[in-house]
Amino acid sequence: GQNIDQPTEMTATEGAIVQINCTYQTSGFNGLFWYQQHAGEAPTFLSYNVLDGLEEKGRFSSFLSRSKGYSYLLLKELQMKDSASYLCAVRDSNYQLIWGAGTKLIIKP
Amino acid sequence: GAVVSQHPSRVICKSGTSVKIECRSLDFQATTMFWYRQFPKKSLMLMATSNEGSKATYEQGVEKDKFLINHASLTLSTLTVTSAHPEDSSFYICSAISGQGLSGDKKLFFGSGTQLSVL
Repeated sequence: GQNIDQPTEMTATEGAIVQINCTYQTSGFNGLFWYQQHAGEAPTFLSYNVLDGLEEKGRFSSFLSRSKGYSYLLLKELQMKDSASYLCAVRDSNYQLIWGAGTKLIIKP
Repeated sequence: GAVVSQHPSRVICKSGTSVKIECRSLDFQATTMFWYRQFPKKSLMLMATSNEGSKATYEQGVEKDKFLINHASLTLSTLTVTSAHPEDSSFYICSAISGQGLSGDKKLFFGSGTQLSVL
């Protein structure tokens, strides 16, 4: 079956760096997305990876290894407003989006 | 865990026809559902917020008469793309909020999406 795995919860300190991992097993691959979701709100897009390597956008970076079925989201210089859930989603060969359950990131001062 | 079912997963239609997409929360009641649109390699764009028993709230730039949303029950919201044209071809995703009450642990669950191709 198709599966996306990411940690349920992570805790980090303000100003630090945190890496959120995502592993996937899907039938085909047409891109991997990371979204940020604050409680009760719609998700906001963070990044899209379709080729192997690192994509950097300001404080956020996303890495993809298709051969390993692995991605991570790296958040630098953490701020309190970064406390949210981070969702990993993969588009399979049928263009279906397979969603991870999300990682709740708690930032402590 | 909570499941959101979206149907159909893929639809191809002729220009000028209308297409209905269903979003169901299978094991929880969802007073609020969201509808998104996603273009290739682009971000997820929120189209509207659907509230059970009331009119949907549309985001700026989204045509209400073009994208009809009906949230008639606590488990079903539908999006109808009326008089579809090729520029409406896109990936449409719904999501639903589970959890009730002030102290409920509210989470957002997503459907698997619908790929619409208008010829």
